[in-house]
Amino acid sequence: GESVGLHLPTLSVQEGDNSIINCAYSNSASDYFIWYKQESGKGPQFIIDIRSNMDKRQGQRVTVLLNKTVKHLSLQIAATQPGDSAVYFCAEIFTGGGNKLTFGTGTQLKVEL
Amino acid sequence: GAVVSQHPSRVICKSGTSVKIECRSLDFQATTMFWYRQFPKQSLMLMATSNEGSKATYEQGVEKDKFLINHASLTLSTLTVTSAHPEDSSFYICSARVNTDTQYFGPGTRLTVL
Repeated sequence: GESVGLHLPTLSVQEGDNSIINCAYSNSASDYFIWYKQESGKGPQFIIDIRSNMDKRQGQRVTVLLNKTVKHLSLQIAATQPGDSAVYFCAEIFTGGGNKLTFGTGTQLKVEL
Repeated sequence: GAVVSQHPSRVICKSGTSVKIECRSLDFQATTMFWYRQFPKQSLMLMATSNEGSKATYEQGVEKDKFLINHASLTLSTLTVTSAHPEDSSFYICSARVNTDTQYFGPGTRLTVL
């Protein structure tokens, strides 16, 4: 469940289950969205992206859903594995605004064996 | 894929000293690099946009005289934290832009100011 203060929201799942990580973005004009995975002490790693003219995109074991009406993104990870344990960030870009990435708050995914 | 390196990976310094962090694109050229700061359990916050051959663009609230950025070549940007204080302790991450939408991130530099 969610925590407040300096704690990231945490999602705990059993190995093999599907994970759904949610993100609310801030700028209705954003037209490109990316999910990143960040392991402890490392830089963000690209997972999957989606443009605003799409509502769903699938990769290998991952799916991103975009709901522009409510400014919501989700990342679905199928058959979650221990190696998926990390912090996941969504990021948005408004390509008409300098192409700067704005990151969401992040979710800690913990995969339990 | 494109590789971005940072050096050093960790640095500990005394309060009042300056620290330089390097960001290199190893197998591509990047006219634009970005510098982010990340405090524990928090998200990445953009500090500045580094443009090769021109002055960096700083985000609101980031002191340009404290965080000096130099982008002297198409493969190297440096961030110098001047007169560092304990509150500057953080994880500093750079990224290099490959095209309009794509940035590759470095592995980060952990700065600890005593």
